[in-house]
Amino acid sequence: SQQGEEDPQALSIQEGENATMNCSYKTSINNLQWYRQNSGRGLVHLILIRSNEREKHSGRLRVTLDTSKKSSSLLITASRAADTASYFCATVLQVGGTSYGKLTFGQGTILTVHP
Amino acid sequence: GAGVSQSPRYKVAKRGQDVALRCDPISGHVSLFWYQQALGQGPEFLTYFQNEAQLDKSGLPSDRFFAERPEGSVSTLKIQRTQQEDSAVYLCASSLWVIGRSGNTEAFFGQGTRLTVV
Repeated sequence: SQQGEEDPQALSIQEGENATMNCSYKTSINNLQWYRQNSGRGLVHLILIRSNEREKHSGRLRVTLDTSKKSSSLLITASRAADTASYFCATVLQVGGTSYGKLTFGQGTILTVHP
Repeated sequence: GAGVSQSPRYKVAKRGQDVALRCDPISGHVSLFWYQQALGQGPEFLTYFQNEAQLDKSGLPSDRFFAERPEGSVSTLKIQRTQQEDSAVYLCASSLWVIGRSGNTEAFFGQGTRLTVV
């Protein structure tokens, strides 16, 4: 079953605007990852944030993690038409002192960036 | 190879037919995962291999689903007597992650096999 919810389910913006997607999860995690999926293609890893981190940056991407609220957000700044894709958060379970590498995905946010 | 390779990319099967989906992971990746992605949904875990050992098959939806990785490299997901509800994209991922060790859990995904059962 899915780990949690992502919102919004769909987001439509103009090129140059920022896009923010949110993800909630239910269990204790080792880390949370964001993936991008272009139509009809595989998933591409974007960024990983560990449970002891609160914020992480990678290029135009900014990810935050609030473990007390069991939520994360992905911000894409200065969006481009090429950013059009589905975005998924995925959590890695923490069992005892170790991580379990199986990914549990949210339902995804469909982002459309209009040129 | 440079990435995870899956074949075929597309498969149309008649209801009741058996199918076999192949995954070639990144060389040296110990861990291999299979996921099923229904239309409009996120991927859902099916099974996990560490080398040739299938350590978790809790996500396999029925005993019609069978996966193997006999030499710890290439893996095959087999679905027997396919049914319409099996229609989905089947994704394979490999990772350097190993059970019991802390480390990078980033997964590298193949392009997937889109299975349509008619």
